[in-house]
Amino acid sequence: SQQGEEDPQALSIQEGENATMNCSYKTSINNLQWYRQNSGRGLVHLILIRSNEREKHSGRLRVTLDTSKKSSSLLITASRAADTASYFCATFRGADGLTFGKGTHLIIQP
Amino acid sequence: DSGVTQTPKHLITATGQRVTLRCSPRSGDLSVYWYQQSLDQGLQFLIQYYNGEERAKGNILERFSAQQFPDLHSELNLSSLELGDSALYFCASSSRVDQEVYEQYFGPGTRLTVT
Repeated sequence: SQQGEEDPQALSIQEGENATMNCSYKTSINNLQWYRQNSGRGLVHLILIRSNEREKHSGRLRVTLDTSKKSSSLLITASRAADTASYFCATFRGADGLTFGKGTHLIIQP
Repeated sequence: DSGVTQTPKHLITATGQRVTLRCSPRSGDLSVYWYQQSLDQGLQFLIQYYNGEERAKGNILERFSAQQFPDLHSELNLSSLELGDSALYFCASSSRVDQEVYEQYFGPGTRLTVT
C-alpha cells in the first residue's frame, strides 16, 4: 500500500518559476526522502530529511517536514526545462524498503 | 550513472513463463532492494537482501523469489507469469542496513512485458 501521497498529481509551470510539491504520509517515520524519475528511467535520490529535522536545503531544492501533520513539501526554485520529471516522496520506517507515493509529474514549459 | 547495473533492459515473454532479472549493486554496497513499478500499483517494495541474507519482505508474490550471491549481485526470479506482472523492475543498493538514515541508488530498471 502507498504510504505517501503526493499532491498535485501533475504540475505545469513556466521555466524560471518555482515548483512546489506536497507529500502526506500515514505512519511514523525515521526519515523522508525525495526522488526524481525521468520518463521510464531509474530513480535519482534528491534529498533526505530526518524525522527530527524541519527544513533542509540542497542547491535549488528546499524540503520541509512537519511530523505533526505527517506532511512534507519539496520546493524547486528557478525551474529549468531539465527539471521536467516525476518526483516521488518516500518514507523509511527502519524495517522495510522505501515506501513511495504515486508521484507528481512536473512539466517545465520553456 | 548510479553505479547499479541491471540486465536485461527489456524482456518480453508469454504468460506462464519464468524469467530471471539480474542486478549488480554499487561497488561496496552490501544491501540490495527490489522494487516493482506499474501504472496501477505505483512503486512497490518487493524484497531486501543484505550480504547474502534476506532482510525484509514487502509486497512480493509467492511466485516471485530472489537471492543475493557471494559476489553481492542479486537475481529476482518471476515464475508463472501473468499479464499483470508487466512492469518496470528496479534494483537499488545501499551501503547500510541499520535503522539509521540512508539513501538508495537505483539501477536503470528492467522493463518486463508479459503477453
